[in-house]
Amino acid sequence: DAGVIQSPRHEVTEMGQEVTLRCKPISGHNSLFWYRQTMMRGLELLIYFNNNVPIDDSGMPEDRFSAKMPNASFSTLKIQPSEPRDSAVYFCASSFTSIQPQHFGDGTRLSIL
Amino acid sequence: AQKVTQAQTEISVVEKEDVTLDCVYETRDTTYYLFWYKQPPSGELVFLIRRNSFDEQNEISGRYSWNFQKSTSSFNFTITASQVVDSAVYFCALSAVTTDSWGKFQFGAGTQVVVTP
Repeated sequence: DAGVIQSPRHEVTEMGQEVTLRCKPISGHNSLFWYRQTMMRGLELLIYFNNNVPIDDSGMPEDRFSAKMPNASFSTLKIQPSEPRDSAVYFCASSFTSIQPQHFGDGTRLSIL
Repeated sequence: AQKVTQAQTEISVVEKEDVTLDCVYETRDTTYYLFWYKQPPSGELVFLIRRNSFDEQNEISGRYSWNFQKSTSSFNFTITASQVVDSAVYFCALSAVTTDSWGKFQFGAGTQVVVTP
């Protein structure tokens, strides 16, 4: 069975540009999570969805960040406009329920120049 | 509020040595889950184990073992006879089962394990 699929794997763009990260969760999983990982701040939960509904977005840094989950098999995390401090690895994870183990994608390494 | 502390930033061992990673957590919830994840140099996060707050039995899986002690709020992880492939960052995480924090994983800062031949 396919795991969590994230795209792109790497993204390099200039500040001010819009960035869209994509995630396909494991089929049948009802919860989806977006994380950001940096050396300084470690793993931070940005937002999570349950049955496609955003449950908690308190980790979203600011209004430049937005996330959507239009259906059970797809989610996006958008940054507009991007800034150099957004450079990080962004992980998407999914789980069968909110307290089941989360299965992580390979991450998107984002560099904002 | 939930908190997970992994006080060891980095542990270096020689192959075949045992290594124990400490994890101390804080939560006011009576029902919660604890997890360990491994992040090898390739970057992916791999689930290792989940333990609920009502199950204090220790667990062994091959060279890995976990010691859950509710009295000290600790969930320590031991790798026996370490191998170079064990080199990774290991994260401890906590998820509580309450209305306010349902589903929110609180990850520790991680412990880098370096195993040299």
